[in-house]
Amino acid sequence: AQSVTQLDSQVPVFEEAPVELRCNYSSSVSVYLFWYVQYPNQGLQLLLKYLSGSTLVKSINGFEAEFNKSQTSFHLRKPSVHISDTAEYFCAVLSNTGFQKLVFGTGTRLLVSP
Amino acid sequence: GAVVSQHPSRVICKSGTSVKIECRSLDFQATTMFWYRQFPKQSLMLMATSNEGSKATYEQGVEKDKFLINHASLTLSTLTVTSAHPEDSSFYICSARTQSARSRGAPEAFFGQGTRLTVV
Repeated sequence: AQSVTQLDSQVPVFEEAPVELRCNYSSSVSVYLFWYVQYPNQGLQLLLKYLSGSTLVKSINGFEAEFNKSQTSFHLRKPSVHISDTAEYFCAVLSNTGFQKLVFGTGTRLLVSP
Repeated sequence: GAVVSQHPSRVICKSGTSVKIECRSLDFQATTMFWYRQFPKQSLMLMATSNEGSKATYEQGVEKDKFLINHASLTLSTLTVTSAHPEDSSFYICSARTQSARSRGAPEAFFGQGTRLTVV
């Protein structure tokens, strides 16, 4: 079975500051890793994903995440945040064998203030 | 990316009535759909997995007779909350997967917009 830990329930940050949202996972098998973003009263949107290859993956809106197998982490970073980045961010894992179910972390609320 | 449409986005119903939520994959065929429930400020809790043409697989603790799931076609799954009570009030989200879990690499999940159910 897999599990995901997002230690920070809320991260307040000022606009244009850098941010890191932490994600650690546990799994006995290889996994795929995802970050999703959720705006109020909406579903989830895929932000970025790691499937294989380069451990650094990037989104079109400036976010990036790095898969670190030894530390079982997939932290999300952005060098300069905008007010519009305020949202809930979920890290998720999916095993690449057997029946695959997305397992989500508890989410981190990113609060960007002016 | 692929689009998943969930309807309605909001519904208010009286206690004891039933509510049906639809989840459609608009531009792809979804062999598997997932239904989640999200409590305020919490993560998504998987309720059940449905495969087209077969019975849904429910997670432990989810009442199958209360949360009826039908996946009649490759583009439509429905969740019916039967005899709804105030404690069923929640945000329900569906997800559709684009390909078989065991073939052609990693499947990708797309999410509907969610349905805010309020039972009064």
